[in-house]
Amino acid sequence: AQSVAQPEDQVNVAEGNPLTVKCTYSVSGNPYLFWYVQYPNRGLQFLLKYITGDNLVKGSYGFEAEFNKSQTSFHLKKPSALVSDSALYFCAVRDLYNFNKFYFGSGTKLNVKP
Amino acid sequence: GAVVSQHPSRVICKSGTSVKIECRSLDFQATTMFWYRQFPKKSLMLMATSNEGSKATYEQGVEKDKFLINHASLTLSTLTVTSAHPEDSSFYICSAREGVSAETQYFGPGTRLLVL
Repeated sequence: AQSVAQPEDQVNVAEGNPLTVKCTYSVSGNPYLFWYVQYPNRGLQFLLKYITGDNLVKGSYGFEAEFNKSQTSFHLKKPSALVSDSALYFCAVRDLYNFNKFYFGSGTKLNVKP
Repeated sequence: GAVVSQHPSRVICKSGTSVKIECRSLDFQATTMFWYRQFPKKSLMLMATSNEGSKATYEQGVEKDKFLINHASLTLSTLTVTSAHPEDSSFYICSAREGVSAETQYFGPGTRLLVL
C-alpha cells in the first residue's frame, strides 16, 4: 500500500529564514508525489508535484520540493519564509493502480513569525 | 488556474434533515470529481469518486445510502447527507480532475457542516 508520513505536526520559523516541511513516502513503485496548502476554512491549493524528471521541483509561491529516492523523502522547502506562508501543508501520493486515489499525510502546521 | 467552487460554504441543520452540497468546476470540464471529509486536525479522507453520468464509487466504510452523490454534468457534482446526525458534522471538500489522465486534483474551498 502507498502512504506518506509527515513527522512534524507543527513547524515554527522566523520570517526571512528558510523553511522545510518534511514528508516521507512508502510506495512500491515510482511515486507520484504532491504538496498542497490549506488556509483556514479553505480547501486545498495545489503547490507542486513530482512525476518524473528533475529531483528538484519548483512550484507556486516560491516553494520547491526535493525528491530523494534513497531517503524516500519529498521535503517542501522555501528559501525565505513569509508570514503569509503560515498555513497547513499536506503531502500526498497518488495510488499506483487507482489514479483516482490520493493518500494524504496528516498535515503540518507552519507558523511563520514576524 | 482551474477553479472549483462549493456551495454552501457553511451550513447548520437539525438532526434528521438532509443537506445538499454542490461542487462545481468553473473553468474546465471535470470528468471525475471526488468527495473528501476532513476531521479537525486530521488529514483528508476520500469518501467517494464520481464520474459524470455513472454511479459513484464509495470507499470502504462510507455508507452510500447516507452520502448520496450525483454527478449529473461535467461541471457539477452534489453530495447529499441524508438524515444528518451530529456525528456527520465535519468539513467536506470536493475536488475535480480535468480529463481522464490528468494528474492533478483541484480542490474546492470546502463546506463546514454542523448538525445540531
